[in-house]
Amino acid sequence: QSALTQPASVSGSPGQSITISCIGTNNDVGNYNYLSWYQQHPGNAPRLIIYDVSQRPSGISSRFSASKSGNTASLTISGLQTEDEADYYCVSYTRSTTWVFGGGTRVTVL
Amino acid sequence: EVEVVESGGGLVHPGGSLRLSCVASGFTFVNYAMTWVRQAPGKGLEWVSAISGSGGSTYYTDSVKGRFTISRDNSRNVVYLQMNSLGAEDSAVYYCARGSTTVVPRAFDYWGQGTLVTASS
Repeated sequence: QSALTQPASVSGSPGQSITISCIGTNNDVGNYNYLSWYQQHPGNAPRLIIYDVSQRPSGISSRFSASKSGNTASLTISGLQTEDEADYYCVSYTRSTTWVFGGGTRVTVL
Repeated sequence: EVEVVESGGGLVHPGGSLRLSCVASGFTFVNYAMTWVRQAPGKGLEWVSAISGSGGSTYYTDSVKGRFTISRDNSRNVVYLQMNSLGAEDSAVYYCARGSTTVVPRAFDYWGQGTLVTASS
């Protein structure tokens, strides 16, 4: 099972919006809505920020939004803040009854 | 408050074995699947294994099939990962996480802080 494809890095200035893509196949992203996103600050455990493609858990800022079209999922961070600087990972359930992560995207706030 | 705490990591010689434990609290353990995710130093996250709430269904990534075994003790709120024939490629921080549902996790909603496994001579 190959990892989902994410850009290695994305950057933006405070207040701007950025979007991170997550590209899979018909065997994972394109066929299942068990698609979630995680934020990981250096030295910390990952934190769930989006589940079921576009749902936010309780306590997650509305500045985080997500969607899916075909084999591509996207995470948008609006009103970028310095605290958003972190690594972001997508993960999808697959046809093989496994889960596959994206390679991760480093978000830098300029 | 939901909490998961991993233990059991350490230094092991290549070819050796290790058993990780993950103790959970703050929720009805049997109602949730559990999963293990690893992260090699400086690398991304990799899903390793998952187990349903009853323990009746288990799932593995291809690279650990036949070497790793996931299990759980619902009377003690513990999930285990027995790792055999360890190689350098298995060196990583191993995270335990709660699945958001009972059988097939839709997401991994609570994570522990991880335990470091190093396979080296």
